Amino acid sequence: EDKVVQSPLSLVVHEGDTVTLNCSYEVTNFRSLLWYKQEKKAPTFLFMLTSSGIEKKSGRLSSILDKKELFSILNITATQTGDSAVYLCAVEAFINTNAGKSTFGDGTTLTVKP
Amino acid sequence: ETGVTQTPRHLVMGMTNKKSLKCEQHLGHNAMYWYKQSAKKPLELMFVYSLEERVENNSVPSRFSPECPNSSHLFLHLHTLQPEDSALYLCASSDRTGGLEHFGPGTRLLVL
Repeated sequence: EDKVVQSPLSLVVHEGDTVTLNCSYEVTNFRSLLWYKQEKKAPTFLFMLTSSGIEKKSGRLSSILDKKELFSILNITATQTGDSAVYLCAVEAFINTNAGKSTFGDGTTLTVKP
Repeated sequence: ETGVTQTPRHLVMGMTNKKSLKCEQHLGHNAMYWYKQSAKKPLELMFVYSLEERVENNSVPSRFSPECPNSSHLFLHLHTLQPEDSALYLCASSDRTGGLEHFGPGTRLLVL
């Protein structure tokens, strides 16, 4: 059974701090690892990672995947109150060439205080 | 209209009602998904359709019945639901390159 474990489950920081969110996984037939940000609505896609060691970056957010050790991290630098959200990690397994099956972690609830 | 849309956005139904949730994607994707998100639980995969064929059914009770009439539309038919079925139901789509990049806004369902 595919499994995703995120840590920490919750985190409180002050504006300007840097945070690192962790995601470890077990999966059969790996297709991709995905990060999402969820506020009080549907998840918003952040990154899709398929190859080890290649950092993906978007503004103050970055993420990297280690397929040997089966984990990924999401970094947020110079945090702002608008970064407060639940950050979800998911691992996708192949069903066939057209579709995958994603297993989600419990999420990390990040609170950024002014 | 682009992206993944879902209707209705909110739904309140009794346990004896029959209702349907609708999802539509205009992205040319060939796989569509239903997920359930309950309070304090991770997102749970319910169904996967690939090229309009159901390829995954994740031990979902028969009171939930999916339908995919074409590659752009996905329905979730609901009947005789239980209060514990109250949740956010999310539709998503993906293409051959993988990754659930596109979630719909969700239908927030309350079963009384």
